[in-house]
Amino acid sequence: DVKVTQSSRYLVKRTGEKVFLECVQDMDHENMFWYRQDPGLGLRLIYFSYDVKMKEKGDIPEGYSVSREKKERFSLILESASTNQTSMYLCASSKQGSGANVLTFGAGSRLTVL
Amino acid sequence: GENVEQHPSTLSVQEGDSAVIKCTYSDSASNYFPWYKQELGKRPQLIIDIRSNVGEKKDQRIAVTLNKTAKHFSLHITETQPEDSAVYFCAASQGWPNAGKSTFGDGTTLTVKP
Repeated sequence: DVKVTQSSRYLVKRTGEKVFLECVQDMDHENMFWYRQDPGLGLRLIYFSYDVKMKEKGDIPEGYSVSREKKERFSLILESASTNQTSMYLCASSKQGSGANVLTFGAGSRLTVL
Repeated sequence: GENVEQHPSTLSVQEGDSAVIKCTYSDSASNYFPWYKQELGKRPQLIIDIRSNVGEKKDQRIAVTLNKTAKHFSLHITETQPEDSAVYFCAASQGWPNAGKSTFGDGTTLTVKP
């Protein structure tokens, strides 16, 4: 019963390549998030979205952009990948209202940039 | 913005002992404090949460306490078992329109020795 699906579990890209990470949720959640997870640094918010076509910067947006054309889909884009973007990327979603704070995470996409 | 500090970064206990993980936060507007557990190779999952109008919450062997005055909250696990071994993250967030925009601690790796 996977509810948040990330299209790629493992990716290897070259420096300068454009990278797309896709995330789809089937819970009709309004809120979607992209976090980056690095050892010893916890989860850091890159971008989030409260509605279709809406996006807000998180704590570390530099070098990233996002797209939300449909409610269920939130894409993270690395316009020109760099080695310091090698990391685990976690997508999450939550609903608005009283349960808005509870995050449901995807399985993660491990990106290696050579 | 919000800043969450989590201690210790690693914790090793014998099976059956108790484990305590502590977090502090900086933004007095934060009112929701979840704890996520991430087993090796898996996605983070919510295990317990507490809202600012409650001082303590229990769920079987897990409890969370919150001291709003001191801006700190703690996770208590009693009668630890090997399956409790994982990385635990605390987080802090606010209500709408920032709901779900959680700031995470750096994580605590808990090892329960049989």
